[in-house]
Amino acid sequence: AQSVTQLDSHVSVSEGTPVLLRCNYSSSYSPSLFWYVQHPNKGLQLLLKYTSAATLVKGINGFEAEFKKSETSFHLTKPSAHMSDAAEYFCVVNQAGTALIFGKGTTLSVSS
Amino acid sequence: EAGVTQFPSHSVIEKGQTVTLRCDPISGHDNLYWYRRVMGKEIKFLLHFVKESKQDESGMPNNRFLAERTGGTYSTLKVQPAELEDSGVYFCASSLGPAGFYEQYFGPGTRLTVT
Repeated sequence: AQSVTQLDSHVSVSEGTPVLLRCNYSSSYSPSLFWYVQHPNKGLQLLLKYTSAATLVKGINGFEAEFKKSETSFHLTKPSAHMSDAAEYFCVVNQAGTALIFGKGTTLSVSS
Repeated sequence: EAGVTQFPSHSVIEKGQTVTLRCDPISGHDNLYWYRRVMGKEIKFLLHFVKESKQDESGMPNNRFLAERTGGTYSTLKVQPAELEDSGVYFCASSLGPAGFYEQYFGPGTRLTVT
């Protein structure tokens, strides 16, 4: 069975400081992993995805995530937060052809 | 290119009433998915269409929920009769191919409130 755990329900950072959103996954087989973002009143947008190629995945808006099989982790990072990054972020796991399985989400707040 | 659209954006109904949610996928996307997020919980899969056929409906909570995709274009999700626990945000997504291989594009969701 697959599952994903987002370790923080809420993360607060100051503008210009690094962002770390943590995600651990569980999967019997080689999973695909994704990070989605949802801004208020908008649909979910794909930030980046890992599908067994390079373990360090670069996404949109300066975000990246590193797949660590030994730690079963797929943490999302960004070197410098911007006010526009304030949103809810979802870590998602999937095995080919099956439905996406979402974490509970992490709300990122960015203060000036 | 138009994205996935959902209608209505909000719906408030009383317990026992019927509500129909609509999703228009991106043109040409054969795969259409419905998800739901109940307050305080994670987003959960409801069902998956490939064209007009239900590929996987393992996430449908009970027989009060009926999804259709006549003609393989737009889809509707009917809740009849609605219960309080059906409140939440219903998302639709579409993709060119199966999940994991192809990106799923999500609509903005329909917020359903059952009172």
